[in-house]
Amino acid sequence: AQKVTQAQTEISVVEKEDVTLDCVYETRDTTYYLFWYKQPPSGELVFLIRRNSFDEQNEISGRYSWNFQKSTSSFNFTITASQVVDSAVYFCALSDPTNAGKSTFGDGTTLTVKP
Amino acid sequence: NAGVTQTPKFRILKIGQSMTLQCTQDMNHNYMYWYRQDPGMGLKLIYYSVGAGITDKGEVPNGYNVSRSTTEDFPLRLELAAPSQTSVYFCASIPDRGFTEAFFGQGTRLTVV
Repeated sequence: AQKVTQAQTEISVVEKEDVTLDCVYETRDTTYYLFWYKQPPSGELVFLIRRNSFDEQNEISGRYSWNFQKSTSSFNFTITASQVVDSAVYFCALSDPTNAGKSTFGDGTTLTVKP
Repeated sequence: NAGVTQTPKFRILKIGQSMTLQCTQDMNHNYMYWYRQDPGMGLKLIYYSVGAGITDKGEVPNGYNVSRSTTEDFPLRLELAAPSQTSVYFCASIPDRGFTEAFFGQGTRLTVV
């Protein structure tokens, strides 16, 4: 069975601080996909990134970066110079590559960025 | 391009009532999914479909039914609503199994009283 653990339930930072959201996963599959989604207060789900299990290259997109370490089964997400608009619930998810939309989600981390 | 459209956005049901949550996508995606999100929790898969006429159970299918008669539509049926089904329901679609992005609807907030 697959499992995704986001141990940080809530994080609060002051604007311009860097913040890292942790994600640890369990799977017996040798190939899989990992995702991060953002859920702002308005409630919709916003796709942020997908990572294939065979690609351990870290990725940076603007203020966002992702650190994938297969050896520790972790896929952490860092926001640099956080902004108030980053306040949201962030979900990490894991899926079977034979049906990539069939995902197992973590319980989410609520990030609050204070001005 | 409308993407994935869910209706209604909000609904209050009485215990024992039935209803259908509608989901339509205009992207010609083969794969569609229904998830529920309970307060403070992540999403859990209810049912999914890999094409018209094909559906399968997810992690939490009890109390729900689905059908997929067309590529565009994937309705979720609640029979005999119970308070435990109070949740936010999300529909999603992807074009094929090797997608790069899932497209989610805006969600339906359902309260059963």
